[in-house]
Amino acid sequence: GENVEQHPSTLSVQEGDSAVIKCTYSDSASNYFPWYKQELGKRPQLIIDIRSNVGEKKDQRIAVTLNKTAKHFSLHITETQPEDSAVYFCAAPNQGGKLIFGQGTELSVKP
Amino acid sequence: NAGVTQTPKFQVLKTGQSMTLQCAQDMNHNSMYWYRQDPGMGLRLIYYSASEGTTDKGEVPNGYNVSRLNKREFSLRLESAAPSQTSVYFCASSAGTYDYEQYFGPGTRLTVT
Repeated sequence: GENVEQHPSTLSVQEGDSAVIKCTYSDSASNYFPWYKQELGKRPQLIIDIRSNVGEKKDQRIAVTLNKTAKHFSLHITETQPEDSAVYFCAAPNQGGKLIFGQGTELSVKP
Repeated sequence: NAGVTQTPKFQVLKTGQSMTLQCAQDMNHNSMYWYRQDPGMGLRLIYYSASEGTTDKGEVPNGYNVSRLNKREFSLRLESAAPSQTSVYFCASSAGTYDYEQYFGPGTRLTVT
């Protein structure tokens, strides 16, 4: 079945720097790769997603890249701000259509 | 629209007690899910319901049961709570099984002593 590995588990950056979180997946048939943001004490919320027919997608300061050959995808946050501090989860679907989540990355943006 | 709602927000149980977590969505979604979230382990699927009238096990179903009461509501029951079930529980919904975008409820923080 699908296995999703996420790195790093914690990431600390200075405000204004970039942050990159990487996930690898095992099922080459996976075709949808979302990223969720979870602020402290809140629910996970979808911030960006990519389907396997594109290599990159951007939305303002966030972008996701996909390398299907290597079976990994990454979240890029540019010009980080304190409000970007949260836990970020990647996910990929298994063959039954259920999302398998990575272990999460706690991002801390220091002013 | 309220989206996905869950009750209660917090609960403390003693070992062996039972309880039901309630979830409802008003987005006319077909699929609903129950996850548990533990530190360092991401979100793990307990049970899901692909459509009204169907339920199936996820990754960690032991100790839980579910009921898809109607299209809106999906409940999770702990028959005999154990300390290992201390966790944050999230309900989620999506338009369909292969409509992958999931919307989460606010969560229930459960402590079993």
